Amino acid sequence: QVQLVQSGAEVKKPGSSVKVSCKASGGTFSSYAISWVRQAPGQGLEWMGGIIPIFGIANYAQKFQGRVTITADKSTSTAYMELSSLRSEDTAVYYCARGVVPAAIDSSWFDPWGQGTLVTVSS
Amino acid sequence: EIVLTQSPGTLSLSPGERATLSCRASQSVSSSYLAWYQQKPGQAPRLLIYGASSRATGIPDRFSGSGSGTDFTLTISRLEPEDFAVYYCQQYGSSSLTFGGGTQVEIK
Repeated sequence: QVQLVQSGAEVKKPGSSVKVSCKASGGTFSSYAISWVRQAPGQGLEWMGGIIPIFGIANYAQKFQGRVTITADKSTSTAYMELSSLRSEDTAVYYCARGVVPAAIDSSWFDPWGQGTLVTVSS
Repeated sequence: EIVLTQSPGTLSLSPGERATLSCRASQSVSSSYLAWYQQKPGQAPRLLIYGASSRATGIPDRFSGSGSGTDFTLTISRLEPEDFAVYYCQQYGSSSLTFGGGTQVEIK
């Protein structure tokens, strides 16, 4: 049973960057995409992008192109999401989630999900 | 990008009642590539349904999904106390995954 464990909460200044990690355990890591989904306070879910670790191929939602970088380290079964040029509107809980369909970033549903990482952007 | 509109925004029901949640897509969702998730306060979303109508492992059979094309429905046949939560639909049939805005099922 795959489990995803994320890094802890972050407080960042506007204009800076944040890097959140997501470590997988208990199952196959490389063949399944890891996506990142964020949720602003009191709001819905928003897909940011994903990566297939075995290929190192990432795909990003248009909204975040140029500002987000998703990477993966197969040796440690860990995926990372780095968001740059942070602004107050980026304050949200960031979730990683594993795609269920092998080698599919944007054509799969998600299960399981990480526990979420709160990123607060404030001066 | 496919826009998913969920209705109603809030559903006020009593335990034991039937809940019917709607998810409408701005264009056809290919191959019924639609999933439903449940989210409780302070928790990550939990997968309920994929492929529009297939229940995920461990999900009780009071949860059922139906629909195709642009109209999808999540039905909870008899609400249990633990079912009061927010529900999201998600489409994965286009190149950019999208979620609906959510329906909150609250205790009446």
